[in-house]
Amino acid sequence: EVQMVESGGGLVQPGGSLRLSCAGSGFTFSDHYMDWVRQVPGKGPEWVSRIRNKGDGYNTEYAPSVKGRFTISRDDSKDSLYLQMNSLKIEDTAVYYCVRGCGSTSCSDGYSSYMDVWGKGTTVTVSS
Amino acid sequence: DIQMTQSPSAMSASVGDRVTITCRASQVIRNHLAWFQQKPGEAPKRLIYTISSLQTGVPSRFSGSGSGTEFTLTINSLQPEDFATYYCLQHSSYPLTFGGGTKVEIK
Repeated sequence: EVQMVESGGGLVQPGGSLRLSCAGSGFTFSDHYMDWVRQVPGKGPEWVSRIRNKGDGYNTEYAPSVKGRFTISRDDSKDSLYLQMNSLKIEDTAVYYCVRGCGSTSCSDGYSSYMDVWGKGTTVTVSS
Repeated sequence: DIQMTQSPSAMSASVGDRVTITCRASQVIRNHLAWFQQKPGEAPKRLIYTISSLQTGVPSRFSGSGSGTEFTLTINSLQPEDFATYYCLQHSSYPLTFGGGTKVEIK
């Protein structure tokens, strides 16, 4: 079964840091782009960040709201994705989902696996 | 940023109804459009990708269409398990952006 399991969420004070992890299984993790998407309860999803696969240079992208504060990374030897979150703000409070992306270089798979599998999410609460 | 304007934001429908949800992009996004369904307490689930390709395992009553900047999700013969919130997503350019959502409720 293809799945992602997030961990690392919790309560943190404004200005603090947190590192989220995501473990993938049931598929060739290293082939895929990976994303983080967050959602405030009762609101729509918000894309946060992307890291491409090795074939596309592990290049990264960030939403303007987190650029310079968050860092996405991956360890393909551990089938794992990470999100280092620094200088956290109250508005970063949300459920954070790990999401599978394209399964080939330059998404030449026709987007067949683009955001097709989501984890259950981990909750981040930024509050004093 | 590309804005995705989704309508309606909410609707009431009956089992067996045909439901149409629209997403309008602020600029041309080619075929980089997906639709998701979300139920309370669950992660979004992909229904449609590249405008009209049906996700494996998704019932054929769901279909997508459109081009350029105007896209539609249609649910033929609404079933009880279809009452949920639906979102469109553009992935033509960064940042990726979701529509505001359409909540489909029971009439």
